Amino acid sequence: NAGVTQTPKFQVLKTGQSMTLQCAQDMNHNSMYWYRQDPGMGLRLIYYSASEGTTDKGEVPNGYNVSRLNKREFSLRLESAAPSQTSVYFCASSISVSGNTIYFGEGSWLTVV
Amino acid sequence: EDKVVQSPLSLVVHEGDTVTLNCSYEVTNFRSLLWYKQEKKAPTFLFMLTSSGIEKKSGRLSSILDKKELFSILNITATQTGDSAIYLCAVNTGNQFYFGTGTSLTVIP
Repeated sequence: NAGVTQTPKFQVLKTGQSMTLQCAQDMNHNSMYWYRQDPGMGLRLIYYSASEGTTDKGEVPNGYNVSRLNKREFSLRLESAAPSQTSVYFCASSISVSGNTIYFGEGSWLTVV
Repeated sequence: EDKVVQSPLSLVVHEGDTVTLNCSYEVTNFRSLLWYKQEKKAPTFLFMLTSSGIEKKSGRLSSILDKKELFSILNITATQTGDSAIYLCAVNTGNQFYFGTGTSLTVIP
């Protein structure tokens, strides 16, 4: 069971570079999320997609864009990376935004130098 | 503003001890409260609570919700080194999941 798969697992970027984090789920979930996790800050929501064709900002959307490519895939793009975006990024999915449980990918460790 | 607060932020105990982790919340629309365990990688699901006063139990872990006082506790009895992790609390409001900062638990042999 793959669940939620995100790539890459590790990435080092230079300031100003762009990159896209990919995420796919095989659980037929309607809702998908991108979180970042920083020490002492917990999981903070960047963007979410309640259903295919919709995306909404979360708590910390600045510097990011997202695309809900289809029901399975939800990508996160950093257009011009900054050191403040050094973090661990988690993609997650749930049956719906009011769904019982949210399932996480393994995480992507991003360092911006 | 919806928020979830966990305490303590960190905890160090010896094997065999019992620990209680706290999660309080202030949200506009409560649907459910969830507990997760996070070791090196992705958070893994432990419990979901929706009703007050009903204890959920799994082995040495148990959790209960108080919707009147707006909090939940996670108890771990007879702790083991494998319980060392960050424990996350999340509240679903019907349109988002709000996470607390987590409690980092370290169990010393």
